[in-house]
Amino acid sequence: EIVLTQSPGTLSLSPGERATISCRASQSVSSSYLAWYHQKRGQAPRLLVYGPSNRATGIPDRFSGSGSGTDFTLTISRLEPEDFAVYYCQHYDGSSWTFGQGTKVEIK
Amino acid sequence: EVQLLQSGGGLVQPGGSLKLSCAASGFTFSGSSMHWVRQASGKGLEWVARIRTKPNNFATTYGASVKGRFSISRDDSRNTVYLQMDSLKAEDTAVYYCATEGWLRAFDHWGQGAQVTVSS
Repeated sequence: EIVLTQSPGTLSLSPGERATISCRASQSVSSSYLAWYHQKRGQAPRLLVYGPSNRATGIPDRFSGSGSGTDFTLTISRLEPEDFAVYYCQHYDGSSWTFGQGTKVEIK
Repeated sequence: EVQLLQSGGGLVQPGGSLKLSCAASGFTFSGSSMHWVRQASGKGLEWVARIRTKPNNFATTYGASVKGRFSISRDDSRNTVYLQMDSLKAEDTAVYYCATEGWLRAFDHWGQGAQVTVSS
């Protein structure tokens, strides 16, 4: 089973700053099936980026995804107030889906 | 607009059963694989189950922690996906979300969530 490990656990930043979240897989994975979500308190998750660099419908271009092999990154170029949330990476291995443990982006 | 409206959550005793429903609208439900994902309080996301479409024989797949106890099904005439949960344990307590499978197996739309609490 592939394990996804996100870092850092918590990121304390100010609006306007750049956020970089890492997702490391326990073995090399297909980047086509790597996705990122965010979840605001009390809400359902929302798809941000998939495949791993395609933005989902309605997602602003300050969100970008990259990576291959075992290392993937979600970058938020300039944090807006609505971006403070928990972020998850996810991978499909051909038969099941796995999520990372989450990274909380909080206001500094 | 895609909408996934969930119902059926609640409190159930250990060993009991519960069935969740997720009614879809705003897209071609019969053409979409559907999933259930859960989240225990204060914890991360855990994928639970998937059901494919009729051309794929409504094939189902389950996460290891629920295999043999949970069953996912769908009724394309009602645009609804279900999760039948049997032999429930305290560790199944969570908010359960239904979700649609989109491009490259990502989950592009989510329901509002339903709380399931397993406790005596």
